[in-house]
Amino acid sequence: EDKVVQSPLSLVVHEGDTVTLNCSYEVTNFRSLLWYKQEKKAPTFLFMLTSSGIEKKSGRLSSILDKKELFSILNITATQTGDSAVYLCAVEALMVGNKLVFGAGTILRVKS
Amino acid sequence: DSGVTQTPKHLITATGQRVTLRCSPRSGDLSVYWYQQSLDQGLQFLIQYYNGEERAKGNILERFSAQQFPDLHSELNLSSLELGDSALYFCASSVLGPPGELFFGEGSRLTVL
Repeated sequence: EDKVVQSPLSLVVHEGDTVTLNCSYEVTNFRSLLWYKQEKKAPTFLFMLTSSGIEKKSGRLSSILDKKELFSILNITATQTGDSAVYLCAVEALMVGNKLVFGAGTILRVKS
Repeated sequence: DSGVTQTPKHLITATGQRVTLRCSPRSGDLSVYWYQQSLDQGLQFLIQYYNGEERAKGNILERFSAQQFPDLHSELNLSSLELGDSALYFCASSVLGPPGELFFGEGSRLTVL
């Protein structure tokens, strides 16, 4: 069965800290890994990763994929209170009718 | 605003009842996905439609059904509701069959009493 595991489940940091969120997966016919940010309601897209070792960067956020070890990390530097959210990792399985398998998420709280 | 519209935003009903959740995808998106998010669980994939045809099925209960209409809007029907069906139901859309970036609606919060 396809599985995505995120760690830690939650963490609390202070503004300015750097955080690393982890995502490991077991998926048959892997196609891509995606990160989403969920603040109040709808998850919003952050990154899509398909190749190992290539860092994707957007402002203070960056992410990298290791297809050999089956994991990804999401880094947030110089955290701000606006980064407080649930960060979701999802893996796309290539099959007849692709689907995304989501992890349970990491709850991040940034204190001022 | 993702461009995906879901109605209703909130719904309170009783056990045994039936409800219909509606989703209008972004203009031009052919694929619609339904996900369930409970308090203690992540997003659980229910079902995907692509251009009117069922494309993939996840952990969708037999009491639940969905369809995508010619105008590409989709409906998720939940029947014989149980307390455990209380959850946030998300619809998402993407342009093609492979999801890549999904655009999520704001969700429909279903409370079964």
